[in-house]
Amino acid sequence: AQKITQTQPGMFVQEKEAVTLDCTYDTSDPSYGLFWYKQPSSGEMIFLIYQGSYDQQNATEGRYSLNFQKARKSANLVISASQLGDSAMYFCAMRATAYSGAGSYQLTFGKGTKLSVIP
Amino acid sequence: DGGITQSPKYLFRKEGQNVTLSCEQNLNHDAMYWYRQDPGQGLRLIYYSQIVNDFQKGDIAEGYSVSREKKESFPLTVTSAQKNPTAFYLCASSEGGADTQYFGPGTRLTVL
Repeated sequence: AQKITQTQPGMFVQEKEAVTLDCTYDTSDPSYGLFWYKQPSSGEMIFLIYQGSYDQQNATEGRYSLNFQKARKSANLVISASQLGDSAMYFCAMRATAYSGAGSYQLTFGKGTKLSVIP
Repeated sequence: DGGITQSPKYLFRKEGQNVTLSCEQNLNHDAMYWYRQDPGQGLRLIYYSQIVNDFQKGDIAEGYSVSREKKESFPLTVTSAQKNPTAFYLCASSEGGADTQYFGPGTRLTVL
């Protein structure tokens, strides 16, 4: 079974500052992927960034980077130079990347962190 | 533009009625998914389909049904057997089961 824990229900950050959103995970799968999604107040889930468990380097996508520490089972999202439009819920999710039967690729989500960017 | 559409955006239902939520994608993705989101919670998987005419139950399938007759369409029916159907429903698709999932805008269902 997989489990995602996001311990920060809410975070505040000053505009133009960097912020780190925490995510820890637990899984018995040897090969897995970690995802971050953004959910604005409109409700749509927007894919931000992906990290494979065997990737040698931390993933980056524009202002988003994923601080992946495999031994600690953490996959924190770092947003640099925060903007007002970054205010949203952020969800960490994971799934296996090797097929091991029905439901192998099912995404498991954390409960999310609400980020508020202050002008 | 390629994407995923869900309709309607808001849906109201009386207790005891079945209701069907629409999900269409023009991304040519093989896999499609239905998730439920309750306030303050993450998403939970209801059903998923990796190929036309095949689908599998997720964690919370009871009281729901789906069909996958066409590659681009994956409608979800919320039946009267679903005890607490008021929630936000999100549809997603991916190229294959192992690929990144992309989401539609969601349908907010309220049971009156």
